[in-house]
Amino acid sequence: AQSVTQPDIHITVSEGASLELRCNYSYGATPYLFWYVQSPGQGLQLLLKYFSGDTLVQGIKGFEAEFKRSQSSFNLRKPSVHWSDAAEYFCAVGARNNNDMRFGAGTRLTVKP
Amino acid sequence: ETGVTQTPRHLVMGMTNKKSLKCEQHLGHNAMYWYKQSAKKPLELMFVYNFKEQTENNSVPSRFSPECPNSSHLFLHLHTLQPEDSALYLCASSQVPSGAPGETQYFGPGTRLLVL
Repeated sequence: AQSVTQPDIHITVSEGASLELRCNYSYGATPYLFWYVQSPGQGLQLLLKYFSGDTLVQGIKGFEAEFKRSQSSFNLRKPSVHWSDAAEYFCAVGARNNNDMRFGAGTRLTVKP
Repeated sequence: ETGVTQTPRHLVMGMTNKKSLKCEQHLGHNAMYWYKQSAKKPLELMFVYNFKEQTENNSVPSRFSPECPNSSHLFLHLHTLQPEDSALYLCASSQVPSGAPGETQYFGPGTRLLVL
């Protein structure tokens, strides 16, 4: 079965600084990859997804992610972080032959003023 | 707007109580899911329903009993829970086209459950 690792449990960045959240996956074939964001007390909101095609995908709120097959990675980036981006971010990998999705443990983002 | 609603948003129950969590999706999807989110642990998939049929049960204790009466509604019946069952329970839905790979899951806001 597929699996996901998010190496960073907690990241702190200053407002206006750039951001990169790491995600590594394990799956025997080309995966479906997702990034979700969760604000306190809320459910998960989809930021972006990769199914096929262009390896650089654009999402909502100014986020983007790049699929790198050689590194089994799908890192999330934002050029300039806003205070409202403080939340928990989850990377997930889905399989192509079922609807089983596996999530990483999450990275909590703190934004300093 | 998420399109997936869950009630109640918060629930406190004793270990001998029986309660139910409700999920409703307004997206026309044909698959629904229950997840458990505990502190400092990855989301755990509990149950999957495709076209109202349960297709996955990830070794969930029998004190959790799902019910899916139609493609829009999903319940999680709870009885004789333990304090370690306290968590955020998330419902999700997706559209799974016949003969094609899985699709994006859309989540509800969750039910925060506290078992005393």
